[in-house]
Amino acid sequence: QKEVEQDPGPLSVPEGAIVSLNCTYSNSAFQYFMWYRQYSRKGPELLMYTYSSGNKEDGRFTAQVDKSSKYISLFIRDSQPSDSATYLCAMSAPSETGNQFYFGTGTSLTVIP
Amino acid sequence: KAGVTQTPRYLIKTRGQQVTLSCSPISGHRSVSWYQQTPGQGLQFLFEYFSETQRNKGNFPGRFSGRQFSNSRSEMNVSTLELGDSALYLCASSLVPPPATNEQFFGPGTRLTVL
Repeated sequence: QKEVEQDPGPLSVPEGAIVSLNCTYSNSAFQYFMWYRQYSRKGPELLMYTYSSGNKEDGRFTAQVDKSSKYISLFIRDSQPSDSATYLCAMSAPSETGNQFYFGTGTSLTVIP
Repeated sequence: KAGVTQTPRYLIKTRGQQVTLSCSPISGHRSVSWYQQTPGQGLQFLFEYFSETQRNKGNFPGRFSGRQFSNSRSEMNVSTLELGDSALYLCASSLVPPPATNEQFFGPGTRLTVL
């Protein structure tokens, strides 16, 4: 079983829709939870990161963490064509020399004008 | 401020050859991490360097190695290339290594194709 599971999609929604992206994980040692956005032919860029269970909002983006269920979500409100990209969840757990990062395989999102 | 740069952007090699990839972090950033990205496995952590020392290593064979120079630039080397090494290799830099920060800035990657 992979440390982090993410539905690869693809997901296609009309402009203005609310998008929900999800990841599950198995390692209860994960402490930091991140969402990255990756456009084609580019490296991932950090969208949001959270440390604890609960919600964190940044503009049209809301990250939600439920440690008891080992489940994280990213919600995108009023989705725009420019949101079309692959979204990667990532988590980190402490090791002897620092954090080690584990990524989901990414969900491909297309927002149709 | 310039972002993370990686060279070359594209590389084609044959099985058995070796390859060296280069990464220049954001100015002032001292931590560099390397990742392999493939469609089936996603991003997988290779190793992390800070102040010329490897601090963390992922679960990859010894054919994968790296180093960091005093100016924080980093190189990774893959010897005896296999077909399965075809992937996008990403470098990420951060000001200080985790757990002090979880904000990593990624470069555009080097697309390696092994024939």
